[in-house]
Order: sequence, then C-alpha cells, then structure tokens
Amino acid sequence: NAGVTQTPKFRILKIGQSMTLQCAQDMNHNYMYWYRQDPGMGLKLIYYSVGAGITDKGEVPNGYNVSRSTTEDFPLRLELAAPSQTSVYFCASSRDYNEKLFFGSGTQLSVL
Amino acid sequence: KQEVTQIPAALSVPEGENLVLNCSFTDSAIYNLQWFRQDPGKGLTSLLLIQSSQREQTSGRLNASLDKSSGRSTLYIAASQPGDSATYLCAVGPRNAGNMLTFGGGTRLMVKP
Repeated sequence: NAGVTQTPKFRILKIGQSMTLQCAQDMNHNYMYWYRQDPGMGLKLIYYSVGAGITDKGEVPNGYNVSRSTTEDFPLRLELAAPSQTSVYFCASSRDYNEKLFFGSGTQLSVL
Repeated sequence: KQEVTQIPAALSVPEGENLVLNCSFTDSAIYNLQWFRQDPGKGLTSLLLIQSSQREQTSGRLNASLDKSSGRSTLYIAASQPGDSATYLCAVGPRNAGNMLTFGGGTRLMVKP
C-alpha cells in the first residue's frame, strides 16, 4: 500500500525557473492538500482540493498553481521560482474533511 | 486569525519518564484537533484526532486531551522510549472547514536511553 507518493524528493532550481511537484495517492481519498514547511516552523496550507476538478486557495497560494484532473493526482506548479519558495513541500490526503490526514514524505526544494 | 503555539520548542527526557506536550490555540471555534509525529526527513504521521465534541482520545501509550474553552490541548506520552524521539505537531481545524488545518511550530522530543 503506497499511500501518498511525492516526486521528486530533492530539487534545486534557479531563480525564474518553473517546475511541477508531483503527488499521487492510491487510497481513493477525495481531499488532497499541499503544505509548505519552512525551517523550525509549522506547516502552511498552499492549496487544497475536495475532489476532481475542484481546487481552492489556502493561506499562502501566491506563486503556485494546482490542478486536479483525477482523484489520484494533485500536482503543484511553481512558476518563476523565487528564493522565498525555498522550503519543504508536503502533499497530504484524507477521505473526508474531518478525518486523519495522510502525508507524503516531502520534496525539499531550494531556489538559488 | 487562528494561532497555534507549542511550548516548549524542545524537550529532553530520560527513558521511562511520563511526559506532557502542550498546545494552545487562540480561537476556540474549532472543528477538530490533530496531533502528528514527524521524524527527520520524513512526512507527518497522524497520531490522534479529537473532535470538538470530545475531551480526549487514546491510542496505546498516547493520550490527547482537549479543552476548547481554555484553548488548550495536551499530548501525554506514558513510559517514554527512545523510539518516541521525534517532533510532535498539533494542528486545529476551523469550524467552517474542518480539515484546513493551522499548525503549531512543534515540540522536538528527545528520549535518552
């Protein structure tokens, strides 16, 4: 049982480059989330989705975009990377809005 | 705006000790509260979820309590073991969107053999 799978695990970008962080879950969960975690801080919600075709902004959406074409996949797109986007990115999913979250192992991104 | 605080930021205890981790939040209009464990370089694992109507949840050596009126939750770990060493985070879900969680900064726990 793979759970939530994130790729890549590490990435270095130059300022202005773009990339897509991949996230897939095999638990048939409706809800999916993208969080970022800065050193020594808690997680902050970037975007979330309540089902295929439905997405909404979280607390820190600027500089990011998402799509949800299938139940399984929830990619996060970074356009014009900036040093402020250096962080660890976590994807998570849950069956319903009031149930436990399951997290991927994270993507460590550095923008130089 | 909801704010979640965890004190202390770091804690070191000898093996076998019972310990309490604290979490406080500013807005009592919450739907639920979750405690997570995070190991270095890994994702988060949900340990316990407490609904706003509940006062506590238990799983093995872990017990989490919730006092909404005072804006506090505690995670009690009984008979701590070196394998409990990790960062523990609490997160609250608002009443209007239960799973749009606001996280605390975490308590880094080290249990020494």
